[in-house]
Amino acid sequence: AQKVTQAQTEISVVEKEDVTLDCVYETRDTTYYLFWYKQPPSGELVFLIRRNSFDEQNEISGRYSWNFQKSTSSFNFTITASQVVDSAVYFCALSEYTANAGGTSYGKLTFGQGTILTVHP
Amino acid sequence: DTEVTQTPKHLVMGMTNKKSLKCEQHMGHRAMYWYKQKAKKPPELMFVYSYEKLSINESVPSRFSPECPNSSLLNLHLHALQPEDSALYLCASSQYLATRNTIYFGEGSWLTVV
Repeated sequence: AQKVTQAQTEISVVEKEDVTLDCVYETRDTTYYLFWYKQPPSGELVFLIRRNSFDEQNEISGRYSWNFQKSTSSFNFTITASQVVDSAVYFCALSEYTANAGGTSYGKLTFGQGTILTVHP
Repeated sequence: DTEVTQTPKHLVMGMTNKKSLKCEQHMGHRAMYWYKQKAKKPPELMFVYSYEKLSINESVPSRFSPECPNSSLLNLHLHALQPEDSALYLCASSQYLATRNTIYFGEGSWLTVV
C-alpha cells in the first residue's frame, strides 16, 4: 500500500523568507510518479511538478525548487523568497499502479494530508 | 487558467432535490475523474472514466450517479443527498489511465446540502 506523509500541517512565514515543505512517501514499486499540487482558497488544484522514480535530478522553476531523494523516500519542495500569493494548501501525491477488485489497473493518486502555507506581508 | 471547467461553482440543494454537476475538458484526454474533498482533507477519488466507460467506482453511494456523454464531458448527478455530502467536488482529466499521466483538476464545485 502506498502512503504519503506531509508532517507539517501548517507553516507561517513572512514575505521574502524561504520555506521548505516536506514530503515522505512509501511504496513497494520501483516505478512510480510523484507530484506536487497547489490549492489556493478558490479550490482549484494546480499542478506544479511531476517526477518519475528514475529521475533524481533536482528541478528549479523560478522561485520553486524540488529535491527528490530516493534513498530517504523524500520529495521536498522549496519556495524561495516567498510571496503572499504563495499562500495556499500544498499537496504532495504519489501515483503507482493499482488494480481494483474488478481487475482494472490504473494509476491511483494518493495524496498527503496537505500543508497549509500562510505568507504574511 | 484551468482547461478543465466545472459548473456550477456553488450549489445549494435540499435533501430531496435532484441536481447535476458538469465538467468539460478540451485537452483530448481520455480519462476523466470525480473527486470529493472535505474541508482540511485531501481529495478522495470517487469515479474514473476511461474512453467514456466507467472504470473505477470507489464504493460511492448510489445517490451519486456519474455520466460521461462524450469524451469531453463528465456529469455527476445528485439525488437524495445528505448534509454530510457537503464538500468540494473536483473534476479532473488525464491523457490516459496511467501512473505517468498528470491529472489536471478543475476549479471545483462547492456543494452545500441543507
